[in-house]
Formats: sequence, structure tokens, C-alpha cells
Amino acid sequence: QSALTQPASVSGSPGQSITISCTGTSSDVGGYNYVSWYQQHPGKAPKLMIYDVTERPSGVSNRFSGSKSGNTASLTISGLQAEDEADYYCTSYRGSATSVFGTGTKVTVL
Amino acid sequence: EVQLLESGGGLVQPGGSLRLSCAASGFTFSSCAMSWVRQTPGKGLEWVSPISRSGATTYYADSVQGRFTVSRDNSKNTLYLQMNDLRAEDTAVYYCAKADGYNLWRPLDCWGQGTLVTVSS
Repeated sequence: QSALTQPASVSGSPGQSITISCTGTSSDVGGYNYVSWYQQHPGKAPKLMIYDVTERPSGVSNRFSGSKSGNTASLTISGLQAEDEADYYCTSYRGSATSVFGTGTKVTVL
Repeated sequence: EVQLLESGGGLVQPGGSLRLSCAASGFTFSSCAMSWVRQTPGKGLEWVSPISRSGATTYYADSVQGRFTVSRDNSKNTLYLQMNDLRAEDTAVYYCAKADGYNLWRPLDCWGQGTLVTVSS
């Protein structure tokens, strides 16, 4: 079960916007609108940030937004803040009763 | 407040067994699908096993199929993961997580703090 592909690292300065990509195939990201994004700070459990491609759970800052084009989903963080420095993982339903995570992206705030 | 508290992790020899538990509170446990997800040291996340709200439907990652068994006791608000024939590559932090509904594949909107399983001789 191969993982979805994410860049290993993305960085930006405070106040800037960054985008993290999550590339899969037509069997997962491209085939379903069931992409979620999780934020994980060191030593902490993951936290749901985006679900169903574009939806934001209550309590999550509107600086976080999601989108999808073809087989690639994206997470955009606008107005980057120091607290956004963390690892980010995408996940997608893959059909046939499976789901898969992305390889993870480390976000660094310069 | 939704809370998930895992227990049962530890050091085990290759070929050994462990049973993880996850005590849930703050929500109607029997109404939500649940999942186990693991994270190998310094690496990424891997779905291990989701289970339906009744416990009747379960799925497993290929890497654990035939060795791990997920179950739940809705009367005790507790999720379990029985792990047999453990291998070095099963070494990871194991998280239990709550789905945001009854569908097994819904996003995981609450996670426990994780319990570390180390398989080594």
C-alpha cells in the first residue's frame, strides 16, 4: 500500500502563504472527495485540520484551506505563524476498504 | 470533552503478543467508528485497523492482516487491539482515534496520546 506523495519540507516566513501538495492516483485522491489533512507537533497526537478536501472542523483557523485538482490535493496555510511549525499529513480513502496516509511534510517557519 | 486514553504498550520479544486498550469518554462511543493508527519512530502514519460502531465490520492493513485483531466493548466504552506474532517492524506508537461518524472511513477528529510498542529481543 504505497503512500501518497508529499514534499519532505516546506518553509516560509511569518505572514507568508505556503502550499503543501499531496499527490496520489485516480484510485484515491482523484477518485474520491475524501481527503483529510492532519497537523502534528513534536511528541503530540495528530490534529484534524481539513476534511472532505475543503471542509474545516470547528475551532480550526480559517488560515488553513484545502483544495484538489485531479490526483493532487493541496493544503494552504495563509498568514503563516510560528505555531504552524509542525508536520502535516494528508490522507485519502483508496477504495476497496482501505485508506492511505501521505509521506508527511515538515513545515518550518523561518 | 472527548478523551481517548491508550494503554498496554511496552517491550515485547519478536513473536510475542500484546493487547492494547483505549478507554473513551466524553462522547457516545457506540455511535462512532474507531480506528487504530500507528507511527514508526521518526516516520509517518499508517492506518492499522478501523472498526464499525457495532464491531461487526473490521478491516486491516496488509502488514498486520492475520496477526492483529481489533474489537470493542461498547458497554465499557473501550477499544482493543490484540497483536500477535509481533515483528520488529511493528515497533511504533499506536494511536486510537475516533471517526466523526459511523462510517469507517470518516476523518479522525479525536486522537489519543498514543502508546509505544517496542518489539526487540
